[in-house]
Amino acid sequence: DAKTTQPPSMDCAEGRAANLPCNHSTISGNEYVYWYRQIHSQGPQYIIHGLKNNETNEMASLIITEDRKSSTLILPHATLRDTAVYYCIVRVWVGSGTYKYIFGTGTRLKVLA
Amino acid sequence: DGGITQSPKYLFRKEGQNVTLSCEQNLNHDAMYWYRQDPGQGLRLIYYSQIVNDFQKGDIAEGYSVSREKKESFPLTVTSAQKNPTAFYLCASNPDRGRNTEAFFGQGTRLTVV
Repeated sequence: DAKTTQPPSMDCAEGRAANLPCNHSTISGNEYVYWYRQIHSQGPQYIIHGLKNNETNEMASLIITEDRKSSTLILPHATLRDTAVYYCIVRVWVGSGTYKYIFGTGTRLKVLA
Repeated sequence: DGGITQSPKYLFRKEGQNVTLSCEQNLNHDAMYWYRQDPGQGLRLIYYSQIVNDFQKGDIAEGYSVSREKKESFPLTVTSAQKNPTAFYLCASNPDRGRNTEAFFGQGTRLTVV
């Protein structure tokens, strides 16, 4: 299964952009990259996902390299409420219309006042 | 409101007892998943199901069992065979097998075995 590698922790000043990197060098051509975040003891919250093209929504932007071996999640103006663990995930096809989501260990982002 | 409901939020059991964690969704989703999370770790897949009466083992299925008798329900039983059952358990669902969609997660059940 495709695996993801993320730095264990990062700090970001409030109001600045937070850039969270992810390496997924073994990803296959039809596997999507997803980003979720988890605030302590809650269920993961969906942020964004993409396949090849860069994506943007109201929460964040996702930049995927041309070779698809890495990606970066960008939170354009981080707030204290963005402090959480961010997971970069690959969605893997397992046959018969079935997918599973492969989680890494995540990046603990701390937004500093 | 639509969503995924896991109950209870906290659960305590004695060692050697089986325990069943509930997961219900009213989103009309086909796929449902169970994950386990240990402190400081990512999520690991226990079981998943794409349709009623069908489910597949994930990466750490030993000591667990599931059923999918109804589309909206996917209960997980932690059996006495699970060596380290204390963990945070998360249930998720996905709208469609083949589409470009995201998984929705419940708020989790924290199981403590004493």
